[in-house]
Amino acid sequence: KQEVTQIPAALSVPEGENLVLNCSFTDSAIYNLQWFRQDPGKGLTSLLLIQSSQREQTSGRLNASLDKSSGRSTLYIAASQPGDSATYLCAVTMDSNYQLIWGAGTKLIIKP
Amino acid sequence: EAQVTQNPRYLITVTGKKLTVTCSQNMNHEYMSWYRQDPGLGLRQIYYSMNVEVTDKGDVPEGYKVSRKEKRNFPLILESPSPNQTSLYFCASKPGQRFIKSYEQYFGPGTRLTVT
Repeated sequence: KQEVTQIPAALSVPEGENLVLNCSFTDSAIYNLQWFRQDPGKGLTSLLLIQSSQREQTSGRLNASLDKSSGRSTLYIAASQPGDSATYLCAVTMDSNYQLIWGAGTKLIIKP
Repeated sequence: EAQVTQNPRYLITVTGKKLTVTCSQNMNHEYMSWYRQDPGLGLRQIYYSMNVEVTDKGDVPEGYKVSRKEKRNFPLILESPSPNQTSLYFCASKPGQRFIKSYEQYFGPGTRLTVT
């Protein structure tokens, strides 16, 4: 059974730092992996989607990588800002049944 | 504006009192889904629907019902709510089966349910 893990559960860094969030999964038979941002009271926003055949995707200051063979993905945030404070979730789409399996998230706090 | 809407956003109810959380999308998406989110557990799928009149159980369907009579609406029904159904609920949609694996899901704002 697929398990998705995000470590650490919480992270606090000063403004301006570059940072990396981690996501690992146990079953490499995935179709894609997505990173989401969750703000309190505002639902979930999709940030990046990486197909299983891709190695990385970039959007602005965000870069997500995928290593399917090792079951890992990272979300790199460059030059962090207080507005980046949120909970970041990763989710994999299973190849077998299209189901999304979620990690528990990393709560990120950027200190001004 | 393309969006998924949920109502109500917040609900406090008592054990055993039937309730319905509505979900509607205006993007003509075929696929819709309900999730619940609990601290430390991430999101877990309750039910999903590939198209009108087609619904399937997710990981945690017990205590919930759904229906898909129209393409745009996918209500979640709790016939007899219990305190262990206190959670944050999200509805989501995405384009149909040809794109089911590729396209990202669009999420509603969430419904925070408390059952006392």
